[in-house]
Amino acid sequence: GEDVEQSLFLSVREGDSSVINCTYTDSSSTYLYWYKQEPGAGLQLLTYIFSNMDMKQDQRLTVLLNKKDKHLSLRIADTQTGDSAIYFCAESRPGGFKTIFGAGTRLFVKA
Amino acid sequence: DSGVTQTPKHLITATGQRVTLRCSPRSGDLSVYWYQQSLDQGLQFLIHYYNGEERAKGNILERFSAQQFPDLHSELNLSSLELGDSALYFCASSGTDQDTQYFGPGTRLTVL
Repeated sequence: GEDVEQSLFLSVREGDSSVINCTYTDSSSTYLYWYKQEPGAGLQLLTYIFSNMDMKQDQRLTVLLNKKDKHLSLRIADTQTGDSAIYFCAESRPGGFKTIFGAGTRLFVKA
Repeated sequence: DSGVTQTPKHLITATGQRVTLRCSPRSGDLSVYWYQQSLDQGLQFLIHYYNGEERAKGNILERFSAQQFPDLHSELNLSSLELGDSALYFCASSGTDQDTQYFGPGTRLTVL
């Protein structure tokens, strides 16, 4: 199938690390993305990783890709209340113009 | 700011009516995508245009149609509106076959 799957909710305490997980189905995916959606706003591109990479780090964000298991994760270090949002995982298929989005993981950060 | 603009921000209308949502892609982007986001359905891909031509269709109802104009802006037309059409409608644009999509702020449609 075409599914990109994510857990629906994650709750963490402020200052802890958050790990949001995603599984995808197409082993030929070229790019994998993480988007953030704050309440009432559009989707903001956070980061992306090319499929021949295992890891990408950008300040507090770390993306890990396990191609064998088709598993993508987003780690947010030192999670802040401002990180509370919905996080969408997406995969891009070869040839372009076909990106599949997951249903989104709602991250709650408790002060 | 993603560079993608959408108008209007909010739209309130009645059942049976017709509305048009407008999207301007980032400068230089040839692709425009439309998505519907509702509470119970999540983010649903509707349709994709590339340089004026329809490239892909997703879960778009027959009552809905879209087009992309020569200046690359796009319009999504929603007709015979029903209560269930109330949702956020997002436009996204991309420039290359890498397909990294940049989203607009959305139009919130409320059908009463």
